[in-house]
Formats: sequence, structure tokens, C-alpha cells
Amino acid sequence: NAGVTQTPKFRVLKTGQSMTLLCAQDMNHEYMYWYRQDPGMGLRLIHYSVGEGTTAKGEVPDGYNVSRLKKQNFLLGLESAAPSQTSVYFCASSYAGRLYEQYFGPGTRLTVT
Amino acid sequence: GEDVEQSLFLSVREGDSSVINCTYTDSSSTYLYWYKQEPGAGLQLLTYIFSNMDMKQDQRLTVLLNKKDKHLSLRIADTQTGDSAIYFCAEPSDYKLSFGAGTTVTVRA
Repeated sequence: NAGVTQTPKFRVLKTGQSMTLLCAQDMNHEYMYWYRQDPGMGLRLIHYSVGEGTTAKGEVPDGYNVSRLKKQNFLLGLESAAPSQTSVYFCASSYAGRLYEQYFGPGTRLTVT
Repeated sequence: GEDVEQSLFLSVREGDSSVINCTYTDSSSTYLYWYKQEPGAGLQLLTYIFSNMDMKQDQRLTVLLNKKDKHLSLRIADTQTGDSAIYFCAEPSDYKLSFGAGTTVTVRA
């Protein structure tokens, strides 16, 4: 099993450009999450999904959109990137019965210039 | 959301014990978690403790919970260079986890 994978690993964007980050999990987990990690601030939840076709906002959703069309995939979109979105993005997933035992991907380092 | 607090840095000599502290705010949390992030990687669940326990031991790891003071600690015995990482305390909140800012543990020879 690959676990949780993220694509791409690194990306540099110019302000105003758009991009989509892809998260995939092969553990048949119901729940999936997108976090951002910034120095001294820990992980902050952007959006999450409790199942295929459903999404919900986390702590810092502004400037991001998500979609969960298939159970195994969770996409994070930036429609118009801003320098404040420079961060490391992590995807995670978990079983509904043990939803706080989350499995994390390796992260995507995004720089917006 | 809930506010989980941790100190940001800890430096420890190889072979000594490390103690990482955390305070949380929701006294109704049923479980509390410790995650570990090694350099350049995502987080991994390290251990957790059920709220009706005061202590949990797992090999070199000891978790202590003081519910009265809402204080959680993680002790790593005989700290090794492979223990150099960021350690996050996490508290359940609805369907989500609230993470502390993380404690960066540096192990020196």
C-alpha cells in the first residue's frame, strides 16, 4: 500500500496563477483533510471531507476550494494564488471509526512569488 | 477551535530523557494524541492516551495526563539522534484535530 500520496512535491507559482494539489489514499478511508503548516503555527485545517461528494470548511478556508469526487481522492485548488499562501500543504486521511488517528502524506511545498 | 499550547524548542543530550509539555483547553476530550514529524516528512501518530488514564507507557515513551490542570506530557527515555523531530500535541474537536504549534526536539551528542 502506498498510503497517502500527494502531487506535486514542490511548486513555484506567480501571484494570480492557479493550481490544484492532488491527494490520493489507498486505505479506503472515509475522512480526508487538507492542512497547511507554517513556522511557529503548527498545522491549520483548511478543508475536510467526511465522505465522497461532501466537503466542509476548516479554520482557514479563504482562497482555497476542494472537491471529493472519488472516495480515494481529495483535491485542493488555489484559484488566484497569493504570497500569503506560501506554505507546506499536508493531506491526511482516517477511518470514520478512528478519525483522530490520521495518516499524513509527505507534503507539498508551495512558494508564491 | 480549541487552543493547544506547547513550547517551541527543546535541546537534549543523547542518552538523556526528553520531556515535552502541552496544555489543552477542552476537558471533555476523550483522547489526546502525540504526533511526530521527522525532517521533510508528514506527521505520524506516535501515541495517544485515553482521558480516564493518568499514564501510558510504550517502550521508551511515557505519556502523563493531568486532567485537573489540562496538562499532557510526553517523556522519551534514552533519547537518540533518531528522536530529533517536531512533536505535536493534538486534541479532538468535532470531526477535526486541533494541533499545537509543535516542539522541535534537537538531540546533541
